[in-house]
Amino acid sequence: GQNIDQPTEMTATEGAIVQINCTYQTSGFNGLFWYQQHAGEAPTFLSYNVLDGLEEKGRFSSFLSRSKGYSYLLLKELQMKDSASYLCAVSLNTGGFKTIFGAGTRLFVKA
Amino acid sequence: GAGVSQSPSNKVTEKGKDVELRCDPISGHTALYWYRQSLGQGLEFLIYFQGNSAPDKSGLPSDRFSAERTGGSVSTLTIQRTQQEDSAVYLCASSLNIGGGELFFGEGSRLTVL
Repeated sequence: GQNIDQPTEMTATEGAIVQINCTYQTSGFNGLFWYQQHAGEAPTFLSYNVLDGLEEKGRFSSFLSRSKGYSYLLLKELQMKDSASYLCAVSLNTGGFKTIFGAGTRLFVKA
Repeated sequence: GAGVSQSPSNKVTEKGKDVELRCDPISGHTALYWYRQSLGQGLEFLIYFQGNSAPDKSGLPSDRFSAERTGGSVSTLTIQRTQQEDSAVYLCASSLNIGGGELFFGEGSRLTVL
């Protein structure tokens, strides 16, 4: 079956760096996404990795290792507004395409 | 429209009633998804419409759930004989291409079954 695992909750301090890990066991891998979801709001796109390596976008970076089925999202210079859920999602190509999500990691940023 | 539009934003219904949830995707987007999100949980895949191909219905939890997409645009998710466990936020998302890509989400329809 298709499986995506990520920690349920994390806490970090304002100004610090936090790394949120995601491991996946899927067939037909077609790329990995990270989305941010604030409470009561819709998810919004953060990053996309299809090749191994690090993608950097401002304070956010995402890493992918396809051979290990592993990704992480790195958030630098944490701000209070970064308190949200971070969803790891995998695009699958199994004849057709679809995107499935992990359960999400709820990040709490404290002062 | 400018973004994905869903209606109603909130729906309260009685157990056993049928409900219809509507999604209007971004114009020109060929892929459309429905997900379900229970309180504090991740997104559960329900169904995926991929252009003119047959939809992937593998995530629909029971035969009480059905969805259609008319004219490659608006989609309706129908839940028949609603149960309390159907209470959740139903999120619709669209994507420009059917070959995978960034998803743009609507604000969701919050369904409460009493």
